[in-house]
Amino acid sequence: EPEVTQTPSHQVTQMGQEVILRCVPISNHLYFYWYRQILGQKVEFLVSFYNNEISEKSEIFDDQFSVERPDGSNFTLKIRSTKLEDSAMYFCASKGGGGYTFGSGTRLTVV
Amino acid sequence: GENVGLHLPTLSVQEGDNSIINCAYSNSASDYFIWYKQESGKGPQFIIDIRSNMDKRQGQRVTVLLNKTVKHLSLQIAATQPGDSAVYFCALEADDYKLSFGAGTTVTVRA
Repeated sequence: EPEVTQTPSHQVTQMGQEVILRCVPISNHLYFYWYRQILGQKVEFLVSFYNNEISEKSEIFDDQFSVERPDGSNFTLKIRSTKLEDSAMYFCASKGGGGYTFGSGTRLTVV
Repeated sequence: GENVGLHLPTLSVQEGDNSIINCAYSNSASDYFIWYKQESGKGPQFIIDIRSNMDKRQGQRVTVLLNKTVKHLSLQIAATQPGDSAVYFCALEADDYKLSFGAGTTVTVRA
């Protein structure tokens, strides 16, 4: 069964540093997403991406965040200057005819 | 934004009994509803979905019921097993091609 692959599974970074979270969506999917889940809370929408551009972003997705699909297979989320409150699980998802598929997530810990 | 809520944050159920998990939503334009299971440290795992033109859908040991009149969604798990212990989220999609998640119900199965 096709999977959404995320790397790394766990990232520890110092406050103020840049991080890039990587995702390989399912190859024939057209919609790509990043979601965030702070420990013990619900999954929150960050951004959707379609046709090589952002189609929607939430209030959380401020100027510190950016997404890219650099090579037709990878889909990345960059946080330019991490804050303590960015610590969370970050899930990538892609959507095709069969619905949404989520990756296993990257646990980001900002210290 | 969409309000998606669950009636109970936790549910303790005896092994072999049936479980019912509930979800209420506010956006009447929602037309696609999904139940996800999340185990510790993992991403949301698809369980079952239903579209707004249906009121019931059955899978293996799971049934989703949709009441659009009162904007209520439920997940029924038959003969609950220890492997069903997890956090369960409802999620819905309106006309904006993204999912909004509920807060989650933690199901604990007692042996």
